Amino acid sequence: EDQVTQSPEALRLQEGESSSLNCSYTVSGLRGLFWYRQDPGKGPEFLFTLYSAGEEKEKERLKATLTKKESFLHITAPKPEDSATYLCAVAARGGGSNYKLTFGKGTLLTVNP
Amino acid sequence: NAGVTQTPKFQVLKTGQSMTLQCAQDMNHEYMSWYRQDPGMGLRLIHYSVGAGITDQGEVPNGYNVSRSTTEDFPLRLLSAAPSQTSVYFCASTKVWGTEAFFGQGTRLTVV
Repeated sequence: EDQVTQSPEALRLQEGESSSLNCSYTVSGLRGLFWYRQDPGKGPEFLFTLYSAGEEKEKERLKATLTKKESFLHITAPKPEDSATYLCAVAARGGGSNYKLTFGKGTLLTVNP
Repeated sequence: NAGVTQTPKFQVLKTGQSMTLQCAQDMNHEYMSWYRQDPGMGLRLIHYSVGAGITDQGEVPNGYNVSRSTTEDFPLRLLSAAPSQTSVYFCASTKVWGTEAFFGQGTRLTVV
């Protein structure tokens, strides 16, 4: 069974204090790994897609990396507006020729001014 | 482009009532999915469709029904609502499987 585990469940940072969120996965036939941001009362907002080990993507203060077993979302010098829940998901081959998307439970990030 | 549009945003049902959650996308995506999000459980797949006329069950399909008569629309039907179906429901669409999914803003459903 495909599994995605995110840690920590919650993270509280001071503005400017850099840190990383972890997403470890166990899937067969990985097709892609995705990071999303979710604000309260909103739908998940796409951030990054990673397809192969060693790949890195950057956007403003965020940088996502991928190994064969885990992904990290690095947050450099965060600001209060970076506060949100960050979700990790993997697309893997499911039954037959169809694919499924499996989500982790998310990391709630709070950045204090 | 509106992206993925879900209606209604909020709904309260009595146990045993039926209703349909609407989802429409204007991106000409083939793949569409329904998820529910519960505290401590993350997003769980209910049903998905790989194209018009083709649907399949996800992780938690019981109590829900779907159909896909057009590329744009993917409604989710609750046949007889139960309190266990109280949740936030998200519809998503994907152009090519294995690429990013785009989500609607969600429907918060309460069954009393």
